[in-house]
Amino acid sequence: SAVISQKPSRDICQRGTSLTIQCQVDSQVTMMFWYRQQPGQSLTLIATANQGSEATYESGFVIDKFPISRPNLTFSTLTVSNMSPEDSSIYLCSVETSGTYYEQYFGPGTRLTVT
Amino acid sequence: AQSVSQHNHHVILSEAASLELGCNYSYGGTVNLFWYVQYPGQHLQLLLKYFSGDPLVKGIKGFEAEFIKSKFSFNLRKPSVQWSDTAEYFCAVNPGGSYIPTFGRGTSLIVHP
Repeated sequence: SAVISQKPSRDICQRGTSLTIQCQVDSQVTMMFWYRQQPGQSLTLIATANQGSEATYESGFVIDKFPISRPNLTFSTLTVSNMSPEDSSIYLCSVETSGTYYEQYFGPGTRLTVT
Repeated sequence: AQSVSQHNHHVILSEAASLELGCNYSYGGTVNLFWYVQYPGQHLQLLLKYFSGDPLVKGIKGFEAEFIKSKFSFNLRKPSVQWSDTAEYFCAVNPGGSYIPTFGRGTSLIVHP
């Protein structure tokens, strides 16, 4: 298993600004994921972040808008850049640990409101 | 593209009622199947999973799910719900060999005491 923490837990930001969300895991993991969860909707994968390589973005998400860092095996950041009200959402970090057959462990999420 | 459908978006039950939440997926090959649960104020966590073998899998807190390949379904069941089962439930499907799951929209379950 893995225990994941995220900072901040919530924030209210003005449009046009950027917010960086941190994800810390209590063990070394290869694969980390960033999701967006909008009210009443499914979890949507933004990108997969593996240590030592560029993040892989899903369709509809681009690096300029959601730059991701993965400096080591226990930490990652997601930045939401040039925010607009449409970016208001919950952002979730998750990991897969080896031997768990694709089971994911999720962080508590960051609730972002853009005004 | 693969999709996962959860037909019940909101379910309201009384304690001791039986529960069945539907999950259907569109992928035709081998799949790994999951149900995740998010209790109020808590992290999303795994409820149960299916990879192979017995299509009836049991998870935590008395939940079970049955994989019916011919129907592309993985419905979640519990014979008698409790107030503490109030939560959001998500079905997720990994196509065989993929690390990336596709999630359903989720079902909000409210259990009245």
